[in-house]
Amino acid sequence: AQTVTQSQPEMSVQEAETVTLSCTYDTSESDYYLFWYKQPPSRQMILVIRQEAYKQQNATENRFSVNFQKAAKSFSLKISDSQLGDAAMYFCAFTGNQFYFGTGTSLTVIP
Amino acid sequence: GAVVSQHPSWVICKSGTSVKIECRSLDFQATTMFWYRQFPKQSLMLMATSNEGSKATYEQGVEKDKFLINHASLTLSTLTVTSAHPEDSSFYICSARNGKRQPQHFGDGTRLSIL
Repeated sequence: AQTVTQSQPEMSVQEAETVTLSCTYDTSESDYYLFWYKQPPSRQMILVIRQEAYKQQNATENRFSVNFQKAAKSFSLKISDSQLGDAAMYFCAFTGNQFYFGTGTSLTVIP
Repeated sequence: GAVVSQHPSWVICKSGTSVKIECRSLDFQATTMFWYRQFPKQSLMLMATSNEGSKATYEQGVEKDKFLINHASLTLSTLTVTSAHPEDSSFYICSARNGKRQPQHFGDGTRLSIL
């Protein structure tokens, strides 16, 4: 069975600091993509970053970067210089033959 | 790019009414569209997957006669909640993608309240 696990239901970070959200997944597929989505209080789902499994280089989008460890099946999201607008639910997602979401991590940014 | 429009954003109606929610991909062709239901502070629960021109595939436990899905074109899918009851009140969100390994792009969701 393919699963996506986010072991941190809640996280908090001081404004301007760095925080890392963890995600692990289980799959027997070799060709897949991983994503992080952000859902602010408005409940809109926003794609933050994507990573192709065949790429060794970690994806980066401005203040957001991932640490993709394929052998360990780990896909963590690092948010640098945290801003108040980063406060949201963050969902890790996997797409191969099927699409799976993690249970989410609620991030609070402390002013 | 990759904009998905979902309407209406909020519906309040009486028990027994049928409600239709539209999901449109505005600037790309969506080979697959998805319908989710989300309860407060929980992850998205996949209800069904639809491919253009074919019947939707429903997840286990989702009543297909209750939640009618039509994916008539590459840019439009509709979800009709038939004879809605208070327990159907929830946040429904659609998404679309244009390839199997592509990310899903989400609509803004529909908050459905059945009185």
